[in-house]
Amino acid sequence: GAVVSQHPSWVICKSGTSVKIECRSLDFQATTMFWYRQFPKQSLMLMATSNEGSKATYEQGVEKDKFLINHASLTLSTLTVTSAHPEDSSFYICSAPQAGTEAFFGQGTRLTVV
Amino acid sequence: DAKTTQPNSMESNEEEPVHLPCNHSTISGTDYIHWYRQLPSQGPEYVIHGLTSNVNNRMASLAIAEDRKSSTLILHRATLRDAAVYYCIPGGTSYGKLTFGQGTILTVHP
Repeated sequence: GAVVSQHPSWVICKSGTSVKIECRSLDFQATTMFWYRQFPKQSLMLMATSNEGSKATYEQGVEKDKFLINHASLTLSTLTVTSAHPEDSSFYICSAPQAGTEAFFGQGTRLTVV
Repeated sequence: DAKTTQPNSMESNEEEPVHLPCNHSTISGTDYIHWYRQLPSQGPEYVIHGLTSNVNNRMASLAIAEDRKSSTLILHRATLRDAAVYYCIPGGTSYGKLTFGQGTILTVHP
């Protein structure tokens, strides 16, 4: 089946620094990808919709200047957490739909800000 | 988005069938019913989806009520690997934009 790969799987960074997370669709093209965030023992919350070649669409309450999304090609979307703080520590997950049916998810990136 | 109600948790023994219910009484007429599951420390994975008729695939079966206000995911023979959080998500098939509820934590006992 289709595969979506996320990198890195986990990252620890210092408070105030920026972290970039990559999401790649390995065997299909994705004009749209989605970024979710999941805090411990909670469900996934959609952060933003990443659109190839145009600006991302952010959900209400998500700071677009803090969570920078770039979708420069049909197989790659990146999420950069800028000036990270401990409250940004979370599990970040991307997804990409194929052929308008099911969504394929990356394995997730666990971000810890110290 | 349609609101869903799922049991917080369910338990099963290995090799036994599991029926995971979901209520989605506000589902629109064009919404599909998607089921995804999330194993510990992983991203979700697709399980099955349907519109009106019952559906079967290699992973599970989906039984949809005639009024579409509820559905049941059926795992015919639970294995330890099926221990996960199961999410029932009404929505369109396009674009893969999914709204996750709290889901059901399934525990499978050996």
